[in-house]
Amino acid sequence: AQSVTQPDIHITVSEGASLELRCNYSYGATPYLFWYVQSPGQGLQLLLKYFSGDTLVQGIKGFEAEFKRSQSSFNLRKPSVHWSDAAEYFCALRGTGFQKLVFGTGTRLLVSP
Amino acid sequence: DVKVTQSSRYLVKRTGEKVFLECVQDMDHENMFWYRQDPGLGLRLIYFSYDVKMKEKGDIPEGYSVSREKKERFSLILESASTNQTSMYLCASSGGSSYGYTFGSGTRLTVV
Repeated sequence: AQSVTQPDIHITVSEGASLELRCNYSYGATPYLFWYVQSPGQGLQLLLKYFSGDTLVQGIKGFEAEFKRSQSSFNLRKPSVHWSDAAEYFCALRGTGFQKLVFGTGTRLLVSP
Repeated sequence: DVKVTQSSRYLVKRTGEKVFLECVQDMDHENMFWYRQDPGLGLRLIYFSYDVKMKEKGDIPEGYSVSREKKERFSLILESASTNQTSMYLCASSGGSSYGYTFGSGTRLTVV
C-alpha cells in the first residue's frame, strides 16, 4: 500500500529565511509526487509535480522540490520565505490503478516577522 | 484555467437530514473526486468517478453516496447526516494521468 508521511505538523520560519518541508513516501515503484498549498478557508492549489526525469522540480511561487529515490523523499524548498507563504502544505502521491491521490497529513507553515 | 465550483462555502444541517453537496467543473474532465479534510488527518478520499454514471468507493465511503449524471457535475450525498460528518469537504477534478488535481474552494459542513 502507498502512504505519505509529513513528519512536521507545524514549522515556523522567519521572513526571508530559507524553508524546507519534509515528505517521505512508501510505494513499490517510481511514484508520481505532488505538493499542494492551502491558504486558510481555501481549496488546494498545485505547487509542483514530479513524474519522471530531472529530480529537481521547479514550481510556482518560487518553490522547488527534489525527488530522492534512495531516501524515499520529496522535500519542498524555498530560498526566501515571504509572509504570504503562511499556509498549509500537503505532499501527495499518485497511487496504482486509477488516479487516486494519497495525501500526507499536512504541515502548517507560520512565518514570523 | 480549470474551475471547480462547489455550490456552498458553508452549510449547517441537522442530524438526520439528507444533505447534497454539489460540485461542477468546466473543463470536460473525466475524473472527479470527493475528499473530506479533518485536522490532523489530512485529506481522505470518500468517492471518485472516472466517467458519467461510474463511481468507486474511496477510503471512507460509509455514510455517503455519490451521483454523476452529467460529466461536469459530481454530487456527494449524506443520506442521514450525523455529527461525525462535520468536516470540510473538497471536490477535485483531473483530466488525465499527466495532470494533478484541480480543487474547489471547499464546503465547510456543520451537522448539529
